[in-house]
Amino acid sequence: GENVEQHPSTLSVQEGDSAVIKCTYSDSASNYFPWYKQELGKRPQLIIDIRSNVGEKKDQRIAVTLNKTAKHFSLHITETQPEDSAVYFCAAGGSQGNLIFGKGTKLSVKP
Amino acid sequence: DGGITQSPKYLFRKEGQNVTLSCEQNLNHDAMYWYRQDPGQGLRLIYYSQIVNDFQKGDIAEGYSVSREKKESFPLTVTSAQKNPTAFYLCASSTGQGVYGYTFGSGTRLTVV
Repeated sequence: GENVEQHPSTLSVQEGDSAVIKCTYSDSASNYFPWYKQELGKRPQLIIDIRSNVGEKKDQRIAVTLNKTAKHFSLHITETQPEDSAVYFCAAGGSQGNLIFGKGTKLSVKP
Repeated sequence: DGGITQSPKYLFRKEGQNVTLSCEQNLNHDAMYWYRQDPGQGLRLIYYSQIVNDFQKGDIAEGYSVSREKKESFPLTVTSAQKNPTAFYLCASSTGQGVYGYTFGSGTRLTVV
């Protein structure tokens, strides 16, 4: 079945450094790739998304890149801050009309 | 609260009981979804519905049931057949034109006592 692999599962960086999270997907029909941030005990919140007709998208300190040929996409956070600490999920828009999620990356930003 | 409301926030279930989790949205979204979240497992799809009176099983539907009698509502029943129901349950909705505009509820934490 459709699958999304996400790496790493945990990531620890110093404040001000960059963080990169990578995902691969299996369904070549996927054409929508959102990223969600989830703080402890709260709902996932959409932080950025990209569609398959675009290779890169940037919003202030966060950016997402997509390589459709290789079926992978990445989240880049620059100048990390302690409030960036959370669990981040990637997802791929499934051909069945639902999102398939990766298992998440716990990001810790140390002051 | 973001247009999609889940209740209750916390729910306790005794062994052998069925419990129902509520999900209501006022976003006029066609599609609604139920996900289960366990530590280290990400979000796993239980059931989804793209139109009223129709729904499909997700990856882990066993032990769960749903109904979609109204566009605004998509309740999830956790039956006694679900042997390990303790988890965080998230409801979501989207425009149904694909998966754009996915919005999550605030979740229900279910615990077996």
